[in-house]
Amino acid sequence: QSALTQPRSVSGSPGQSVTISCTGTSSDVGGSKYVSWFRQHPGKAPELIIYDVTQRPSGVPGRFSGSKSGNTASLTISGLQAEDESDYYCCSYAGSHSYVFGTGTKVTVL
Amino acid sequence: EVQMVESGGGLAQPGGSLRLSCAASGFSFSTDFMTWVRQAPGEGLEWVANINGDGSERYYVDSVKGRFTISRDNAKNSLYLQMNSLRAEDTAVYYCARDYYFNLDHWGRGTLVTVSS
Repeated sequence: QSALTQPRSVSGSPGQSVTISCTGTSSDVGGSKYVSWFRQHPGKAPELIIYDVTQRPSGVPGRFSGSKSGNTASLTISGLQAEDESDYYCCSYAGSHSYVFGTGTKVTVL
Repeated sequence: EVQMVESGGGLAQPGGSLRLSCAASGFSFSTDFMTWVRQAPGEGLEWVANINGDGSERYYVDSVKGRFTISRDNAKNSLYLQMNSLRAEDTAVYYCARDYYFNLDHWGRGTLVTVSS
């Protein structure tokens, strides 16, 4: 399984929206209902922020939203805040109880 | 509160072994899949292995097959990863996570494994 492709970095000013793409294949992202997104602050464990493509766990702000089209999933952060500066990873179920993660994206708040 | 605490990491020589443990609490451990994910220094996340609730099904990434063994003790609410024939490329922080309906929803803080002579 090859890692899902994410942009290395994205940036935006406070209040703006940014979108992170996550491109895979029909064997993972394109064929899966189970695409998730994680936020990881430096030195910390990943935190689930989106699951099942579009769902937010309780406690995750509504400014985080997920979507999918074909083999590409996307995470949008609306109303960017300073605390959103972090690394973000997508993850897809890839069949046979295996998972594949994205390459990771660093979000910078300007 | 769902919580996972990993332990057992440390320094191992190439070809050596380590056994990681993950103590879980706050949920029905025996009914849920559990997963190990690793992250090499400065790199991204990589799924390593997972195991079903009763331990009868185990799955591994190709790079660790035949070297790593995932197991669990439901009486102790504990998950394990036995790592043999360690290589430099196994150097990483190893996280355990609950696999809840194909989503890794709760993670531990991780334990660092360093393979070096």
